[in-house]
Amino acid sequence: KAGVTQTPRYLIKTRGQQVTLSCSPISGHRSVSWYQQTPGQGLQFLFEYFSETQRNKGNFPGRFSGRQFSNSRSEMNVSTLELGDSALYLCASRAGLSSYEQYFGPGTRLTVT
Amino acid sequence: DAKTTQPPSMDCAEGRAANLPCNHSTISGNEYVYWYRQIHSQGPQYIIHGLKNNETNEMASLIITEDRKSSTLILPHATLRDTAVYYCIVDQTGANNLFFGTGTRLTVIP
Repeated sequence: KAGVTQTPRYLIKTRGQQVTLSCSPISGHRSVSWYQQTPGQGLQFLFEYFSETQRNKGNFPGRFSGRQFSNSRSEMNVSTLELGDSALYLCASRAGLSSYEQYFGPGTRLTVT
Repeated sequence: DAKTTQPPSMDCAEGRAANLPCNHSTISGNEYVYWYRQIHSQGPQYIIHGLKNNETNEMASLIITEDRKSSTLILPHATLRDTAVYYCIVDQTGANNLFFGTGTRLTVIP
């Protein structure tokens, strides 16, 4: 079974631009979560989607948004990029809302200049 | 938000058992103990989880004290590939909003 895939793996953007990151979960998994990892703040939860609905949201500004498609693939969008948005963005999938294990992708490294 | 306390770093000799402690004195009755690890430049990897009883799988063993206020992750025969940051997390069944904290950086020494 293929693991969680994320595209692109690396991205460089300029302040003020917007960016869209993509995540394909493990086949059959219906829940997708997004996390931001920075050296200063560690791993922080952004949001979770299940059956195309946002189920839970972390403490991030509205510039961070996401969506999930009917095939469970998910996208995350960050608008009006700031330097502090430079981070590793990780996507994780799990089979369902009561599943214990989350499977993480390799992440997208976003650099904002 | 931090519900767990872990030592910031540990060393272990290759081939020996690595015992990683975690304190979670405020754990609730419906919260599980999860362990994940993150090898440099990769996404976190699930290792094991437990509620009350000790658990073992192909990767590790999890020992939870009777009062559930602390636990120990045991890697029975550490290899160089086990060098990683290990996160101990407590959370409710099915919850996804995992708080990873700062973890323990385990270095396996040849």
